[in-house]
Amino acid sequence: EVQLLESGGGLVQPGGSLRLSCAASGFTFSNFAMYWVRQAPGKGLEWVSAISGSGRSTYYADSVKGRFTISRDNAKNTLYLQMNSLRGDDTAVYYCAKSAIAAAVMAAGGLDPWGQGTLVTVSS
Amino acid sequence: QSVLTQPPSVSATPGQKVTISCSGTSSNVGINFVSWYQQLPGSAPTLLIYDNNKRPSGIPDRFSGSKSGTSATLGITGLQTGDEADYYCATWDSSLSAWVFGGGTKLTVL
Repeated sequence: EVQLLESGGGLVQPGGSLRLSCAASGFTFSNFAMYWVRQAPGKGLEWVSAISGSGRSTYYADSVKGRFTISRDNAKNTLYLQMNSLRGDDTAVYYCAKSAIAAAVMAAGGLDPWGQGTLVTVSS
Repeated sequence: QSVLTQPPSVSATPGQKVTISCSGTSSNVGINFVSWYQQLPGSAPTLLIYDNNKRPSGIPDRFSGSKSGTSATLGITGLQTGDEADYYCATWDSSLSAWVFGGGTKLTVL
């Protein structure tokens, strides 16, 4: 069974940093692109970042470019999101998700499954 | 504002059919596969439709997807109270080099 388990969320002050992790199991991790998607309280889904299976290709939403860094350790089956210079509008539940079929970041196949999410709260 | 445009809400009665639209542009919906996600209250999103009109295993055929030009549509027939959820469309935007989501549509089954 494919499982994704996020961790690392919590309360952080504006300007601070946090690193999220997503532990994956039940599939060959390096064969699939991975994603971070967030959801602010009471709001819709917002794509944050994506990384190819090899880790060589990364993509970011304009809202986080230059502040967030996505990475992966294929030996540890773990996806990361390093978040720096955090702002109040970064407050959200952060989900990791797996590409359903591909190592490349692409639309085919969709995102499946998603983890249960980890809450990041940026507040003083 | 979301890159993909969805109606904020739709409603219908049990047993009826409902459709949810997703409008994009030639750089996203027009040239890339669209997927749809269901988010039940208090839960993480789950994949409902992928590649415009395909259903993952376990998704009942009451759910369907279609795409024409720069618009995609999710259809749900035989509505059940358990279908009450938020529904999101998504795709890759080739101009932005970014995934884009619709703003979400809240389905109420009266």
